[in-house]
Amino acid sequence: GAVVSQHPSWVICKSGTSVKIECRSLDFQATTMFWYRQFPKQSLMLMATSNEGSKATYEQGVEKDKFLINHASLTLSTLTVTSAHPEDSSFYICSAREGQGLTDTQYFGPGTRLTVL
Amino acid sequence: SQQGEEDPQALSIQEGENATMNCSYKTSINNLQWYRQNSGRGLVHLILIRSNEREKHSGRLRVTLDTSKKSSSLLITASRAADTASYFCATGQTGNTPLVFGKGTRLSVIA
Repeated sequence: GAVVSQHPSWVICKSGTSVKIECRSLDFQATTMFWYRQFPKQSLMLMATSNEGSKATYEQGVEKDKFLINHASLTLSTLTVTSAHPEDSSFYICSAREGQGLTDTQYFGPGTRLTVL
Repeated sequence: SQQGEEDPQALSIQEGENATMNCSYKTSINNLQWYRQNSGRGLVHLILIRSNEREKHSGRLRVTLDTSKKSSSLLITASRAADTASYFCATGQTGNTPLVFGKGTRLSVIA
């Protein structure tokens, strides 16, 4: 099956710094990628939908200036958490859908655990 | 926003018993998928059932879908300690919309 990777798998940073998380589709082209956030013992909450070559669509309550998403190529989307604070500590998971979204399969990355001190 | 509600929120059973988890959702769907997540790890896709299907099997997994009641169930037969994990249902719609996850059921299988 298709593989989605994330880098880094975990990161610890100081409050006020910015952190970039990469999401790559390794063996397919993804016109659409999705970013989810998961707090401990909770479910995945969709943050934003990232479309290659266009601006991301953010879910209600997600600050677009704080969570910068760039989908510059068909195999790479990045999420930058700017001026991170302890409340941003979470598990961030990306997923990618192949093609034009007609397939039912959304492939998930292994997640990135962010801890902000 | 979340689409699904899993029930129960937590389930503890003995090894060898069957585990049943339920999921209800609110809007029309194209498909419903079940995922497993071990603590602190990524998602593992278990099974997908389309809206025109009523039941699907995969190994020890059995999934049912009742679109009239907007509900699905996941049955794990002959459970093992390794089945201990959180299980999420996720609904998919047509087009380019993302999967929407339910709150999940935490399953503990005691050896």
